[in-house]
Amino acid sequence: KQEVTQIPAALSVPEGENLVLNCSFTDSAIYNLQWFRQDPGKGLTSLLLIQSSQREQTSGRLNASLDKSSGRSTLYIAASQPGDSATYLCAVRPTTSYDKVIFGPGTSLSVIP
Amino acid sequence: DVKVTQSSRYLVKRTGEKVFLECVQDMDHENMFWYRQDPGLGLRLIYFSYDVKMKEKGDIPEGYSVSREKKERFSLILESASTNQTSMYLCASSFSSGRFLSYNEQFFGPGTRLTVL
Repeated sequence: KQEVTQIPAALSVPEGENLVLNCSFTDSAIYNLQWFRQDPGKGLTSLLLIQSSQREQTSGRLNASLDKSSGRSTLYIAASQPGDSATYLCAVRPTTSYDKVIFGPGTSLSVIP
Repeated sequence: DVKVTQSSRYLVKRTGEKVFLECVQDMDHENMFWYRQDPGLGLRLIYFSYDVKMKEKGDIPEGYSVSREKKERFSLILESASTNQTSMYLCASSFSSGRFLSYNEQFFGPGTRLTVL
């Protein structure tokens, strides 16, 4: 059964620092991996989607990488800002799941001014 | 821009009431999902619909039912609300893998915070 973990559960960094969030999954048979951001009390906002055939995707200050064989993805945030403070979740779509995804528990990020 | 809307941001109901949560998407997505999110438990799938009138149980369907009469609208129904159904409810939609094999990015609505007293 596919399991998704995210470590650390919480992270606090000073403004301007570059940081990496981690996502691990137990079964490499996936179609894609998606990173989301969630602000307190709000819905999820899609940040990046990486296909299983891709190694990375970039959007502005965000760069997500995927190493399917080792079951890992990282979300790199450059020059962090207080507005980046949120919970970041990753989700994988297993090849066996027919369009359903499995979410990780999230990493709560706090960027201190 | 994909837009997924939910009928209410906040809802307060009494135990035993029948509750309807509505979700509408404007991107012609085949798939629609209902999740609930609770502290420490993460996101859990309640029901999934892959076409009009088609549905599939998720991980925690007990106490819930759904309705999808039109492609753009997916309703979650709490037949008799209970206090343990107090939660944040999130709706999402995506293209079917039958149309786009790998590119079925999920898009979420703003959520409904339901409190059952």
